[in-house]
Amino acid sequence: QVRLVQSGAEVKKPGSSVKVSCKASGGSFRTFSISWLRQAPGQGLEWMGGIIPMFGPAKYTQNFQDRLSITADESTSTAYMELNFLTSEDTAIYFCAREQQLALFDWGQGTLVTVSS
Amino acid sequence: QSVLTQPPSASGTPGQRVTISCSGSSSNIGSNTVNWYQQLPGTAPRLLIYNNNQRPSGVPDRFSGSKSGTSASLAIGGLQSEDEGDFYCATWDDTLIAPVFGGGTKLTVL
Repeated sequence: QVRLVQSGAEVKKPGSSVKVSCKASGGSFRTFSISWLRQAPGQGLEWMGGIIPMFGPAKYTQNFQDRLSITADESTSTAYMELNFLTSEDTAIYFCAREQQLALFDWGQGTLVTVSS
Repeated sequence: QSVLTQPPSASGTPGQRVTISCSGSSSNIGSNTVNWYQQLPGTAPRLLIYNNNQRPSGVPDRFSGSKSGTSASLAIGGLQSEDEGDFYCATWDDTLIAPVFGGGTKLTVL
């Protein structure tokens, strides 16, 4: 049973950056495909990007190509999502999830990021 | 504007069968498998159906999925009050080269 535990809620100023962590337990982290998604208030789910630690570089959706960085630390079984140049439109709950067979089988509990001046 | 189209709401009474539709195109549903997620209020989504019609361990068999052409549907039989929540369809899009989601359907148990 894979468990994903995310870091706590964040409040950020416009123009700043946020880094959210996702620690995995159970299974072989280096072979996991970890995706990051977000959900704006009252809205649906949006895939941002993903990484497979053993294969290295992350992939990003075009919407976030220039200001998103997804990394993984195999030594701590932790994936990270860093989003730069935040605006109020980035206020959302951010989720990490483990992908298998093109489906997201396991999810973190979500991290609320609020961007406000 | 979501790539996949779902009705914004659905409802039924306890014990009823409800179906939620998901419409896409040849670049997504038409050429890839469909997954369904359930999101109960205040919680993270959970996988309900993968590979069009497969249930992960622990998902009751009253949840079923199907796909035909560029559309898919989720059926919930024996509706229960605890089923209330949002349901999302998802698949891979060959043009966007990314997973895409429907806008979600809010299920109300009357």
